Amino acid sequence: QSVLTQPPSVSGAPGQRVTISCTGSSSNIGAGFDVHWYQQLPGTAPKLLIYGNTDRPSGVPDRFSGSKSGTSASLAITGLQAEDETHYYCQSYDSSLGSWVFGGGTKLTV
Amino acid sequence: EVQLVESGGGLVQPGGSLRLSCAASGFTFSRYWMSWVRQAPGKGLEWVANIKEDGSEKYYVDSVKGRFTISRDNAKNSLYLQMNSLRAEDTAVYYCATFAKLRYCRSSTNCYGADAFDIWGQGTMVTVSS
Repeated sequence: QSVLTQPPSVSGAPGQRVTISCTGSSSNIGAGFDVHWYQQLPGTAPKLLIYGNTDRPSGVPDRFSGSKSGTSASLAITGLQAEDETHYYCQSYDSSLGSWVFGGGTKLTV
Repeated sequence: EVQLVESGGGLVQPGGSLRLSCAASGFTFSRYWMSWVRQAPGKGLEWVANIKEDGSEKYYVDSVKGRFTISRDNAKNSLYLQMNSLRAEDTAVYYCATFAKLRYCRSSTNCYGADAFDIWGQGTMVTVSS
């Protein structure tokens, strides 16, 4: 059971907008630690999608955006495309555990 | 091309040992913190260990403390994970990754560094079973 809670699955039609939530607590997201998001295509390594809560690494389309408020963070994907159908993970640091932590992951179906 | 290539995975009996390696190329390895992250079959990601640029600081998830040791050889651009007293629950794909401080700014004067797992290798499978 991860300290960062994500919905197991979300879905949306092509062209639509979806959001994936990441709910933490006062010892991780609520404590001000950054939230990062990763995309993992089937059979491949994770790829950094969003860092520092809202910033995109070079090459990541601006259809992907991140936000953070209080003890939660969200990943939004606009203009859904078929290739967006995969798993997404949030990640932060937890001061109570003294550990870097991931959410359980969310499977996006387009 | 920036690249991380893991090796050393395989089948090992419970209680056995295995040493994973990660060869880095295309970037100045000695300037980066490095990490191991694992993923059990069909499960999510779990951070395992971090090591500072010069190897002077190391951090581990509680479940591997005392059993796993992370190390590096900057002269060989290589990262290692020595795994002892292996358990069935250690079965996973093990990824090495750069743990990079990525700069972001919220204004012209307020900039910060975000520690994120930036570059990932393709992973090596470790199976602990009798």
